[in-house]
Amino acid sequence: NAGVMQNPRHLVRRRGQEARLRCSPMKGHSHVYWYRQLPEEGLKFMVYLQKENIIDESGMPKERFSAEFPKEGPSILRIQQVVRGDSAAYFCASSRQGGVDLTSTDTQYFGPGTRLTVL
Amino acid sequence: ILNVEQSPQSLHVQEGDSTNFTCSFPSSNFYALHWYRWETAKSPEALFVMTLNGDEKKKGRISATLNTKEGYSYLYIKGSQPEDSATYLCAFNQAGTALIFGKGTTLSVSS
Repeated sequence: NAGVMQNPRHLVRRRGQEARLRCSPMKGHSHVYWYRQLPEEGLKFMVYLQKENIIDESGMPKERFSAEFPKEGPSILRIQQVVRGDSAAYFCASSRQGGVDLTSTDTQYFGPGTRLTVL
Repeated sequence: ILNVEQSPQSLHVQEGDSTNFTCSFPSSNFYALHWYRWETAKSPEALFVMTLNGDEKKKGRISATLNTKEGYSYLYIKGSQPEDSATYLCAFNQAGTALIFGKGTTLSVSS
């Protein structure tokens, strides 16, 4: 059973460009979480999605960031007009079960992350 | 602001030593405490999910305890091996909130 896949593993963008990060959850998982790790910081929650629905985006910046998890295909985290402060490692996790909110003890399985560098 | 603290930040032990580290979290509205093991260049790997006060979980040489009333969890490694070298993360959540991660304890085991 393949784990959570993320691509690309490394992404370099110039200021003002768009970054698209992809996450394929584990087989049988329909709940996806995105986290960001800034330098010298811990993992910070950004958004929780189920298929075709955003359940909680309380950790996502209001501007330039968006996320989707379509019925078919991977979850996408999109960052428009990137700035240097967006440079970070972005991790995706998936779980088999979830809930109507973030209340769940189901284990989240993490991908290897995408390291975004903005020049 | 909810905060999770892990100590020590880093730790270096010799092969065969037993060690432990601490995760401190808010004691109010506790829902669950997660431990992860994160090796360099790999994905964080789930170790335990703990929900009950007084709970103790074990996986091989690694075990964890939970005290929700005072807001802490200990992770123990018995007879450390070089392959135990990793960063150990704890994450806490209250009902309806996202996992809040600590910055981790980085363990280095020399042979």
